[in-house]
Amino acid sequence: GDSVTQMEGPVTLSEEAFLTINCTYTATGYPSLFWYVQYPGEGLQLLLKATKADDKGSNKGFEATYRKETTSFHLEKGSVQVSDSAVYFCALSEATNAGKSTFGDGTTLTVKP
Amino acid sequence: DAGVTQSPTHLIKTRGQHVTLRCSPISGHKSVSWYQQVLGQGPQFIFQYYEKEERGRGNFPDRFSARQFPNYSSELNVNALLLGDSALYLCASSPPGLGLRNEQFFGPGTRLTVL
Repeated sequence: GDSVTQMEGPVTLSEEAFLTINCTYTATGYPSLFWYVQYPGEGLQLLLKATKADDKGSNKGFEATYRKETTSFHLEKGSVQVSDSAVYFCALSEATNAGKSTFGDGTTLTVKP
Repeated sequence: DAGVTQSPTHLIKTRGQHVTLRCSPISGHKSVSWYQQVLGQGPQFIFQYYEKEERGRGNFPDRFSARQFPNYSSELNVNALLLGDSALYLCASSPPGLGLRNEQFFGPGTRLTVL
């Protein structure tokens, strides 16, 4: 079945540092790929998505590129802020149905001033 | 517009009891999905309903059931609760025209504790 593997956390960075969170996946066909963010005590918010190979999703300074040849969707941000501290989840779904998604176990990011 | 709403926010039950969780999707959304998120793990897919029909079911026992009403709100029912059912239960809704805008919007969740 489908699966998503994220780099283990927690990740602790200083403000303005460069962030990379690795994500690789196993799926049949051509899935859509997502990054979600979860702040303490809240539900998940969609951060960005990509629907086909070589697509780059971007939002709020975060970026991730759909790499089919390496089955990866790594999350990057050039300069993190304290407010970016949260849990980040990589996920995949069928190309036409995000409502049946498979998630990774999440990576906790803490940014210190 | 209001987002996805869930009730109750928190719930404490004892083993063997039954629980019903409720979800109201974003207005105009016809698809509702349920996920279980155990502490320290990612959400796991339980059910999806679209236009009141079950569209998918994850690897959960028959103690878990759900339904969707004509107004597209949904209930998740869990019978014979076990300690391992303690988790955050998330509901998500998706815009109509699956595939045209392939994304889902999550509610804040219901925190279920089984003692």
